[in-house]
Amino acid sequence: DAKTTQPNSMESNEEEPVHLPCNHSTISGTDYIHWYRQLPSQGPEYVIHGLTSNVNNRMASLAIAEDRKSSTLILHRATLRDAAVYYCILNSGGSNYKLTFGKGTLLTVNP
Amino acid sequence: EPEVTQTPSHQVTQMGQEVILRCVPISNHLYFYWYRQILGQKVEFLVSFYNNEISEKSEIFDDQFSVERPDGSNFTLKIRSTKLEDSAMYFCASSYTGVETQYFGPGTRLLVL
Repeated sequence: DAKTTQPNSMESNEEEPVHLPCNHSTISGTDYIHWYRQLPSQGPEYVIHGLTSNVNNRMASLAIAEDRKSSTLILHRATLRDAAVYYCILNSGGSNYKLTFGKGTLLTVNP
Repeated sequence: EPEVTQTPSHQVTQMGQEVILRCVPISNHLYFYWYRQILGQKVEFLVSFYNNEISEKSEIFDDQFSVERPDGSNFTLKIRSTKLEDSAMYFCASSYTGVETQYFGPGTRLLVL
């Protein structure tokens, strides 16, 4: 599985934007970039995914570099409920679609 | 909004006992998964299931583990003879297509004594 690199932790203030980076320099052409998050004591939760173009949904935006070797998850206005571990995961379906979780980025949101 | 459900939420068992963890995936989904998370560690893939058979399993998923979709709605994980190291949070997930979103259940916390 292609590897992703994320900072161990990040901190943000409530109602400010948060940019969570992810490096995936060995990404292949068929790899989708997925972001999941895990709130304390809960199961992982899908946030967003994309292939080449930037994507927006009600939760977040995903900005994908032109060479696809990095991406950034953008939370436009962080809330206390966004405090979670955020995982950047590549999924091409080549391994029967399993998700390989790394350690992710622990996002702390300050009031 | 449809969701994946899991029962029980907590299970305590004695080492060597069999446990069955149950999941009800989202109804029109075709791909089913089990993951586990030992306390303080990463979420780990156990097994994927499609078209009534295992499509991939990890090295964790040894002969003590089995999965079944006994009817059109349930998806179960059985551990035949539990070990202390099986203590973990077990998450079920489902997806409509393999490359799209996986929806996770809330998990079953298994404690083996």
